[in-house]
Amino acid sequence: EDQVTQSPEALRLQEGESSSLNCSYTVSGLRGLFWYRQDPGKGPEFLFTLYSAGEEKEKERLKATLTKKESFLHITAPKPEDSATYLCAVRMGAQKLVFGQGTRLTINP
Amino acid sequence: EAQVTQNPRYLITVTGKKLTVTCSQNMNHEYMSWYRQDPGLGLRQIYYSMNVEVTDKGDVPEGYKVSRKEKRNFPLILESPSPNQTSLYFCASSWDRDAGYTFGSGTRLTVV
Repeated sequence: EDQVTQSPEALRLQEGESSSLNCSYTVSGLRGLFWYRQDPGKGPEFLFTLYSAGEEKEKERLKATLTKKESFLHITAPKPEDSATYLCAVRMGAQKLVFGQGTRLTINP
Repeated sequence: EAQVTQNPRYLITVTGKKLTVTCSQNMNHEYMSWYRQDPGLGLRQIYYSMNVEVTDKGDVPEGYKVSRKEKRNFPLILESPSPNQTSLYFCASSWDRDAGYTFGSGTRLTVV
């Protein structure tokens, strides 16, 4: 069964304390892996797309990496405004997207 | 401003009363999709569309219908809503399937 699993479910960090979020997947025919950020009461906001093992993308304090079975979202020296739920999704086929349940990240000042 | 607009934002309805949630995008995007988000289950795809008159089922299509008669609009129709369709619904669009989706602000639906 196609599955996307994110860990941890929740993570609390101090401002400036770097860490990583994990997204592991068991899907046949990966066509792309996406990272989104979701703030409370809002729709997800697109961050990155990764296609192949070894690929990396960066945006400000965030860096996403991809291996054959998982992706990591590295957060370097986070700030309170980085607090959000981070979602990963895997595209299979034309437009079928399967989302993980998300990691709720809290950055304390 | 480039955006995906959903209406209504909040809706409380009764079991069996047909309803439509509208979705419109002003970015000339080809791809559109509907999701529902439930605690513990995450975002699940209901239907998607790759162009006008081209739609397909996602993971949880039962109890829902969609249509794509115009490029900009992608309404979600619940012919006979039931309490298990109480959820937060998101519409999203994209110019390319690899570009990532732009999401609307969501519609919180309660069926009593």
